[in-house]
Amino acid sequence: DTAVSQTPKYLVTQMGNDKSIKCEQNLGHDTMYWYKQDSKKFLKIMFSYNNKELIINETVPNRFSPKSPDKAHLNLHINSLELGDSAVYFCASSRGGIGGGYTFGSGTRLTVV
Amino acid sequence: GENVEQHPSTLSVQEGDSAVIKCTYSDSASNYFPWYKQELGKRPQLIIDIRSNVGEKKDQRIAVTLNKTAKHFSLHITETQPEDSAVYFCAAIVGAGSYQLTFGKGTKLSVIP
Repeated sequence: DTAVSQTPKYLVTQMGNDKSIKCEQNLGHDTMYWYKQDSKKFLKIMFSYNNKELIINETVPNRFSPKSPDKAHLNLHINSLELGDSAVYFCASSRGGIGGGYTFGSGTRLTVV
Repeated sequence: GENVEQHPSTLSVQEGDSAVIKCTYSDSASNYFPWYKQELGKRPQLIIDIRSNVGEKKDQRIAVTLNKTAKHFSLHITETQPEDSAVYFCAAIVGAGSYQLTFGKGTKLSVIP
C-alpha cells in the first residue's frame, strides 16, 4: 500500500556503469519529481514532470535522464556513473498545480565505488 | 530562481522547551510554504504548510507563521519531546506558475531528555 515506492533501496556500483532507479506512485498525482540528497542532507531538485512538461534543473548533468512510461511512473536513468553521484535519491509526487504537498518515496542510497 | 535560507543549522533544546526555526525566501511571487521532518534514515514527511493568504497556522504543538512583507516564515514547536528530534526542512515554491519546491538546507533539532 506504499504511496510512493522506489527500487532499489540500496545500489552499489562501479564508476562508469549505467544504472536505473524506478519510482511508482499510486496516489493518482499528476506530477512527479526526483531530488538528490547529498551527505550534508541538502535536498536539491533534479527534475519535475507531468504529462505535459518536463522541467530539468540546469545544474543536472545530461548523464541523468528521467523516463516516464505513464503518469504513475518516473524512472531515473544514470549513464557513466561518477564518484560524485553517490547520494540518496528521492522520488516524490504531488497532485500538481501550485501548492501541492509532496509525498516522498523511501529513497535510494546510491554508492559509486 | 528561488533561494531559501534556513537558520539555525543545528538546534538543541531541553525536553519541554520550545524550538523555533526560521526561513527566508527571495521570490516575492512564492505563495506556498511547507515544512518537512526527516528522521534518520527515513524519507522527508510533510508536517505542516501555509499559503500566502494566511499569516499563521497551528496543528497541536506545531505552528507556522508567515510574514510576506519581510519574506520570512517560521516553524514553532512547543513542549518538545525526544521524538521531535529530526532534521527539519522549510521549502517554498520556485515562482509564479511553478510547482517545484526549493528546500532550505535543513535544521538538525535535538531534544535532550
